[in-house]
Amino acid sequence: AQKITQTQPGMFVQEKEAVTLDCTYDTSDPSYGLFWYKQPSSGEMIFLIYQGSYDQQNATEGRYSLNFQKARKSANLVISASQLGDSAMYFCAMREGWGGYQKVTFGIGTKLQVIP
Amino acid sequence: NAGVMQNPRHLVRRRGQEARLRCSPMKGHSHVYWYRQLPEEGLKFMVYLQKENIIDESGMPKERFSAEFPKEGPSILRIQQVVRGDSAAYFCASSRQVTSGRETDTQYFGPGTRLTVL
Repeated sequence: AQKITQTQPGMFVQEKEAVTLDCTYDTSDPSYGLFWYKQPSSGEMIFLIYQGSYDQQNATEGRYSLNFQKARKSANLVISASQLGDSAMYFCAMREGWGGYQKVTFGIGTKLQVIP
Repeated sequence: NAGVMQNPRHLVRRRGQEARLRCSPMKGHSHVYWYRQLPEEGLKFMVYLQKENIIDESGMPKERFSAEFPKEGPSILRIQQVVRGDSAAYFCASSRQVTSGRETDTQYFGPGTRLTVL
């Protein structure tokens, strides 16, 4: 089974609208971390947001929020008030295990295009 | 700039040559990870290192590829006798330590090295 599943290869959103990028994960480990990264056309990987499996509240970082539904094993990224600069690839990732080792698995990504 | 540094940013090699990719982690980070990204794909884990130790190299091809993170100096990913299929972006990431929590859990990425094999 895929560890991280991103089912939306491409998404369009109107500027200033909100958009949700889907991510589901698969793990039997009780301790894990979930991440979202942005990769613009320039190629660098930019960390956006983190959610720990024991965190009680959904993570938020400015216009980014993570809709964490533990029972459903989903960790969707919500971008509010989209901007043209948000056009990029977005990768969901998961870190499993603890106590000595941190291995991160990435999804295949979603390409977001913001329309003026 | 206190971020993860990688050099060179672009590297062109002919088939059969060696490629050396360097990564300096963020200040205070002692864990380094190498990933490979093929065009139009996500990142694939290659190797995880701490100072002078390889913790997990399960994602690295058994032949031609090696990695090190010496006590002094940057981490090096070395590809011997490169082939066209090695053309990819190679990303290095670093983290503070291995515990749960945003500050310690998060891997921060360098800008990547784009390797082109002619």
